[in-house]
Amino acid sequence: QSVLTQPPSVSGAPGQRVTISCTGSSSNIGADYVVHWYQQLPGTAPKLLIYGNSNRPSGVPDRFSGSKSGTSASLAITGLQAEDEADYYCQSFDTNLSALFGGGTKLTVL
Amino acid sequence: EVQLVESGGGLVQPGGSLRLSCAASGFIFSSYSMNWVRQAPGEGLEWVAYISSGSSSIYYADSVKGRFTISRDNAENSLYLQMSSLRGDDTAVYYCARDRGGWTGYNDYWGQGTLVTVSS
Repeated sequence: QSVLTQPPSVSGAPGQRVTISCTGSSSNIGADYVVHWYQQLPGTAPKLLIYGNSNRPSGVPDRFSGSKSGTSASLAITGLQAEDEADYYCQSFDTNLSALFGGGTKLTVL
Repeated sequence: EVQLVESGGGLVQPGGSLRLSCAASGFIFSSYSMNWVRQAPGEGLEWVAYISSGSSSIYYADSVKGRFTISRDNAENSLYLQMSSLRGDDTAVYYCARDRGGWTGYNDYWGQGTLVTVSS
């Protein structure tokens, strides 16, 4: 059971918008720690998608956006494409000097 | 081009030891913190250990504390993970990742991983 809670799965049709939540607590996200997001395509290493709550690395389409409020963060994907089908993980940190990953969310493009 | 190449994985018996290596190239290794992250078969990501650029700050996940040791050799551009008292739940693909921003930073480059299987 991960300290950061993500929905196990989300789905959407091509062109639609989906959001993935990442819920923590006052000892991690709520303690003003940043949230990062990673995308993992099947059989590959994770790839950085969003850093520092809402920043996109170069090369990541602006269809991907991140936000944070209180003890939670969200990843939004607009204009869903088949190639977006992957697992998505949030990451944050805890006051006990631990780095935390969410349990992961499998995105299915219908 | 930034490259991270892990090696040293394999099959090991419960209670045994293994040393993983991560060879870095394409960037100034000594300027970056590094992380080990693992992923059990069919499971999610789990952070394992962090080491700062000069090795002055080292942190471990509770699940490996006292059994695993992270280290680095900046002259050799290499990161290591010494694993001992291995258990079945240590079975996973182990990734090394470059850290941007120090502790609370993000992992901007990842290796392809090396599989560790703990089984008798």
